[in-house]
Amino acid sequence: AQRVTQPEKLLSVFKGAPVELKCNYSYSGSPELFWYVQYSRQRLQLLLRHISRESIKGFTADLNKGETSFHLKKPFAQEEDSAMYYCAPINFNKFYFGSGTKLNVKP
Amino acid sequence: DVKVTQSSRYLVKRTGEKVFLECVQDMDHENMFWYRQDPGLGLRLIYFSYDVKMKEKGDIPEGYSVSREKKERFSLILESASTNQTSMYLCASSLGGAADTQYFGPGTRLTVL
Repeated sequence: AQRVTQPEKLLSVFKGAPVELKCNYSYSGSPELFWYVQYSRQRLQLLLRHISRESIKGFTADLNKGETSFHLKKPFAQEEDSAMYYCAPINFNKFYFGSGTKLNVKP
Repeated sequence: DVKVTQSSRYLVKRTGEKVFLECVQDMDHENMFWYRQDPGLGLRLIYFSYDVKMKEKGDIPEGYSVSREKKERFSLILESASTNQTSMYLCASSLGGAADTQYFGPGTRLTVL
């Protein structure tokens, strides 16, 4: 059974357009919720963590416990946001990463 | 800044060879992890370790083993490499367990011929 679903493999938007990267998870409990990002030729790094409630590089993520979703949003995409994004809902003994969404922001 | 380093960026091995991938972190983190990263599959956990000499299986431990003799070093071993182990291997460490921010190494791209 797929535990973390990122339904879009590739998402292309124009610069300045809103962007939403979807993430759904299928296990119970109250996992810590993370989004990690990998820019071209860089290592995977934390983008944001739900518990800190910070907005990083203009991105926010909304937790919907009823739907067990943790979608990543940005109102105005920038070209430098082009990267691979991974959702990771993590419990103590269940830590699965999604398969990733490649975001391409076109000029 | 946390620094996680991996011994090789690129590695080419032959089927049946024993392969060692080394990972070192310099921030005194208790927890270390090995993942493999494949297109369309994301990151899959192979093994993790919460302490020296401790190890736990992840989702896909078959064909792999690990060693953690020192806190800062976590090794991934492929006892007999096979072509289906061709992949990108990522090491990570964290202070407070898996549910804490993980810091990743640059990755080792392993090709098994």
